[in-house]
Amino acid sequence: GAGVSQTPSNKVTEKGKYVELRCDPISGHTALYWYRQSLGQGPEFLIYFQGTGAADDSGLPNDRFFAVRPEGSVSTLKIQRTERGDSAVYLCASSLVGGSEQFFGPGTRLTVL
Amino acid sequence: DQQVKQNSPSLSVQEGRISILNCDYTNSMFDYFLWYKKYPAEGPTFLISISSIKDKNEDGRFTVFLNKSAKHLSLHIVPSQPGDSAVYFCAASVMNRDDKIIFGKGTRLHILP
Repeated sequence: GAGVSQTPSNKVTEKGKYVELRCDPISGHTALYWYRQSLGQGPEFLIYFQGTGAADDSGLPNDRFFAVRPEGSVSTLKIQRTERGDSAVYLCASSLVGGSEQFFGPGTRLTVL
Repeated sequence: DQQVKQNSPSLSVQEGRISILNCDYTNSMFDYFLWYKKYPAEGPTFLISISSIKDKNEDGRFTVFLNKSAKHLSLHIVPSQPGDSAVYFCAASVMNRDDKIIFGKGTRLHILP
């Protein structure tokens, strides 16, 4: 059975570059969430999609971060002008509907040199 | 400002004994609490939850206790098994909102043979 998948599993980039992280949710799940887990911390909420629209983006740290979900399935988290402080594991989760159990992907480990 | 606090970064327990993981929260709006388990290089997986109308929820070897007046919850695992070695995250949310889960920093549980 297909769970939440995330690509790439690891991404190394240089400071100032642009990166895109992809999330494939469980088929049929309408809600999709992005979290960021820094070293020694728990996952921190970034943004929540219900369908195609971002229902809550209050966790995005600044305007360098942006996420889309154009067809209500796959989502892409985009980070412009990356900084060393962006280094973290970026986790995606999906749920059948908003508020139901969230299933997490394995994450993308982003390293900004 | 940490709304969900796990003050023990790590815990070692003998196999077969009881493991008790503790969690405190500060936001009185939280009315739904969850525990997630995380193995290395995997996303968190849901373990057990409790709503604020209850003070105990049990599922096999796992029991969660909630003390609302103290804003404290705990996860009991009995008997502890080697496969329980993982990082455990305490998390909280507001049930009528369908977006973010607020996570603690996690407690790394080591089950000793």
